[in-house]
Amino acid sequence: SQTIHQWPATLVQPVGSPLSLECTVEGTSNPNLYWYRQAAGRGLQLLFYSVGIGQISSEVPQNLSASRPQDRQFILSSKKLLLSDSGFYLCAWSSGALAKNIQYFGAGTRLSVL
Amino acid sequence: GQQVMQIPQYQHVQEGEDFTTYCNSSTTLSNIQWYKQRPGGHPVFLIQLVKSGEVKKQKRLTFQFGEAKKNSSLHITATQTTDVGTYFCAGRAAGNKLTFGGGTRVLVKP
Repeated sequence: SQTIHQWPATLVQPVGSPLSLECTVEGTSNPNLYWYRQAAGRGLQLLFYSVGIGQISSEVPQNLSASRPQDRQFILSSKKLLLSDSGFYLCAWSSGALAKNIQYFGAGTRLSVL
Repeated sequence: GQQVMQIPQYQHVQEGEDFTTYCNSSTTLSNIQWYKQRPGGHPVFLIQLVKSGEVKKQKRLTFQFGEAKKNSSLHITATQTTDVGTYFCAGRAAGNKLTFGGGTRVLVKP
């Protein structure tokens, strides 16, 4: 069966520090991968998605970036965190064409930028 | 771009009562999905609707896709404390990515 792992679960970082969040998927190949951010009590904002290694689409201009160095690995990064980067970051995967399928979410990372 | 709106944003329900949450899209959808996020958890897929006018049931939950495929609803009967959480709809226009609504946060009063 397929599983998705995200780490760390929680993170407290000072303003201006770098960020690296990692997400890996097991049990499937060539998944579509997504990074979402959720502010407290709010909806899901799609940040990035990827349909293959090295292929990244950005949905919202920001100081974050994403990379997909391996088929089942998706990394969210920042060189300098802002206060507004605080939130709940969720990685998700889906299989097949973007047009049809279900997204499976990881447990998420709660980021607090102080 | 495609927008998906959900109402209400918050729903306070007395345990045992019924309620409905609504999802409206600015564009015609090829399908719509519903997810539930428990407090402190991550969204979990509930169901997908594809056909115009489709109705699906999961125990006390009834999901409906509108005839014009631009809206959907989730109706919960006899609400229980286990129903607490945020319910998201997510709509997909043909060939496009999934767009999530803002969610309906459900609080149950025992």
